[in-house]
Amino acid sequence: GQNIDQPTEMTATEGAIVQINCTYQTSGFNGLFWYQQHAGEAPTFLSYNVLDGLEEKGRFSSFLSRSKGYSYLLLKELQMKDSASYLCAVQGGATNKLIFGTGTLLAVQP
Amino acid sequence: DVKVTQSSRYLVKRTGEKVFLECVQDMDHENMFWYRQDPGLGLRLIYFSYDVKMKEKGDIPEGYSVSREKKERFSLILESASTNQTSMYLCASSQETGGYEQYFGPGTRLTVT
Repeated sequence: GQNIDQPTEMTATEGAIVQINCTYQTSGFNGLFWYQQHAGEAPTFLSYNVLDGLEEKGRFSSFLSRSKGYSYLLLKELQMKDSASYLCAVQGGATNKLIFGTGTLLAVQP
Repeated sequence: DVKVTQSSRYLVKRTGEKVFLECVQDMDHENMFWYRQDPGLGLRLIYFSYDVKMKEKGDIPEGYSVSREKKERFSLILESASTNQTSMYLCASSQETGGYEQYFGPGTRLTVT
């Protein structure tokens, strides 16, 4: 079967660092995406990993270990505007469709 | 700037009505997708299309159909709306299938009464 797990909710403090984990079991793997979704808005692309290792993009970094079926999104120097849901999605199978996790709701507190 | 638009932000329909949700993208993307998003269930793929007049079933196609007559437009059709189809519907497009991010529209909040 196909399964993607991520924590439902997390809380962090402004200026701190937070790590959001994602574990997956899918039939086929062609890459892992992270999206950010503010309440009432569309998801927006954050990062893409297809090889093992860390991808850094400003305050956001994403890590992938294919052998462990594991990824994390690291957010540094948290700002209030980072309060949002973070969606982990795995692309795979013959059709390369995306399978989404249920998302992690991050609340950044002053 | 990349843009995916959806015909309505909010829609209220009655049980049994036929419902059309329209999606248009201006990026000349090959691939288009329809998802629904429900609390605790995340985004689930209903249908997708790799080319004009082509369609593929996603994970939850029952009760839905789609139409793609032009490259830029992908329509989702609820043949006979039911209350369990009350949801947020999101359209997305991508340049190609492998390794390319999907761009999402703003969503249509559909309520079926």
